[in-house]
This record gives sequence, structure tokens and C-alpha cells, in this order.
Amino acid sequence: DVKVTQSSRYLVKRTGEKVFLECVQDMDHENMFWYRQDPGLGLRLIYFSYDVKMKEKGDIPEGYSVSREKKERFSLILESASTNQTSMYLCASSPPGSGYYEQYFGPGTRLTVT
Amino acid sequence: SQQGEEDPQALSIQEGENATMNCSYKTSINNLQWYRQNSGRGLVHLILIRSNEREKHSGRLRVTLDTSKKSSSLLITASRAADTASYFCALVNTGGFKTIFGAGTRLFVKA
Repeated sequence: DVKVTQSSRYLVKRTGEKVFLECVQDMDHENMFWYRQDPGLGLRLIYFSYDVKMKEKGDIPEGYSVSREKKERFSLILESASTNQTSMYLCASSPPGSGYYEQYFGPGTRLTVT
Repeated sequence: SQQGEEDPQALSIQEGENATMNCSYKTSINNLQWYRQNSGRGLVHLILIRSNEREKHSGRLRVTLDTSKKSSSLLITASRAADTASYFCALVNTGGFKTIFGAGTRLFVKA
């Protein structure tokens, strides 16, 4: 079974802190994604990566950065956390040619910024 | 980029009844996918239907796609309490790369 894991299920951080969210997949997938999910808004794409050291901005990249040093690991970084970044963060992976294949999601990290 | 719009936003039914959720969109698509999300968890892929397909089945799930009406429906037959979840349609536009998720339909199945 494909497994996508995220480093934390729940996280509470203070405004201004630097926050790292880690995601690891074990299926040798080329594509990895970070989404945030807010009530009534569905999933919004923050960043995605289609190869090691490659990254592309999604629809809402402001305030975030990413790192992909190894194929299996995709990190989301909040440079200076703000209260409007309180949300559920979901990581996903898929084989190459994403959009043509299903995405496999991690369990999510619920981040609260106080 | 377009987003699928699910209808209804919420649905409450009795166990054993069928549940139908709809997704409408505006431009041409490569494929359309349905995902399920149990409360506070990640999404699980249910079915992918390509633009040249009209209907697909998977167990108690039936998905239809009408590209002329730009709409899709997900039917869950003989629902169970365990089907209680949010259901999302996700689109890949023709020539596009990203999968775009709708806001979801919340289904509650009463035992």
C-alpha cells in the first residue's frame, strides 16, 4: 500500500515562528503536493514538485516555501507563521504526469498559530 | 483555473438509502476524480473517469460523466453509517497539469 506520512497530526505555534511540516512517501512517486484546506474553500494548492530540487508555485504560495532534497521527502516551510495560516495542511504524492493519476494523501497536519 | 462545484453542500440520509452527489464545471476537462475524506483525515481516491467515458462502477459506487452538460454525479447505493464523510470532485482541465478540488459535499448517514 502507498503510504504518505506527515510529521505531526496537530501543531500549535506562535506568531512569527518558523514552522516546518514534513511529508514522506514510500512509493517512489515523482510528484508531491502541499495543500491547505479551509472550511468552504476546499483544497487549495500551495506548492508542488515534480522532481528532486524542483518546485512550482501553486495557487496560494505567499508566506510559504518548500524544499525537496530527496525524492521521498517534501517539506513545507512557513517562514514567519501568522494567524491566517491556521489551517489543515495536506500532503499528497502521485506518479509522473499528475492529473492523469490519482493522488495519495497523508493524514494531514492541523496547524494552529496563536 | 476552474473548480468543480458540488451539490448539495450537505446531505443527510438513512442507512440503506442511496446518496447522490453532483459536480458541475465550466470548461473542458481531461478527467474528473472523486475523493472521500473522513472527519479530520486525509483524502482517499475513489474513482477517476476520463473525458471519453460516460460511466464507471466500483463496488457500491457509480460515477457518471456528461461532458455536454459539464457535470458528473457520484451515486452511493445502499449507504452505510461508515459512508459518512465529505466527498470531493477534482478536475484536471484539458491540457492542464494540476488537479483542482471542489469544496465538497458532506454526507451524513444515520444508522
